[in-house]
Amino acid sequence: KAGVTQTPRYLIKTRGQQVTLSCSPISGHRSVSWYQQTPGQGLQFLFEYFSETQRNKGNFPGRFSGRQFSNSRSEMNVSTLELGDSALYLCASSLVPFEAGGRNTQYFGPGTRLTVL
Amino acid sequence: DQQVKQNSPSLSVQEGRISILNCDYTNSMFDYFLWYKKYPAEGPTFLISISSIKDKNEDGRFTVFLNKSAKHLSLHIVPSQPGDSAVYFCAASEGSGGSNYKLTFGKGTLLTVNP
Repeated sequence: KAGVTQTPRYLIKTRGQQVTLSCSPISGHRSVSWYQQTPGQGLQFLFEYFSETQRNKGNFPGRFSGRQFSNSRSEMNVSTLELGDSALYLCASSLVPFEAGGRNTQYFGPGTRLTVL
Repeated sequence: DQQVKQNSPSLSVQEGRISILNCDYTNSMFDYFLWYKKYPAEGPTFLISISSIKDKNEDGRFTVFLNKSAKHLSLHIVPSQPGDSAVYFCAASEGSGGSNYKLTFGKGTLLTVNP
């Protein structure tokens, strides 16, 4: 069974641009979550999607948005990029949403390394 | 404001000995706690979890202890093996009853197990 895949793996953008990251969950998984990892802040939860609906959201500004498609694939968008958005963005999938046990059955992808210049 | 704190950025232990990783939290609304392990160039993997109604949970070599009054949890690895060398993240979740299940992570502790 293929794992969680994220594209692209590496990305370089400049301030003010926008970026879209993609995540394909494990086949059959309907919950997709996104995380940001930085050296200063560690791992931070962005949001969770289940069945095309955002179920849970972390404390990030509105520049960070996401969506999930009917095939459970998810995209995350960051608009008006800032230098501080440079990070490793991780996607995780699970069969069920957080409240049904998805919190401890997540499988993470390798991440997308975003560098903002 | 760091609601989940892992005050030790790194820890080094000898193979076969016990590794104890600590985590403190400040939000009394947290009701579920998790530990993840992360190897370089890979995503984190779930290790073990504990609900706030328990004070201990074991899974093989891994045991998590929760002290709610002190708002402290710890992960014990016994015996430690070189393959356990990784970054360990403590995470906490609030939101029982169907409300917003935020996950809050600590900054991680790098564990090195020396042969």
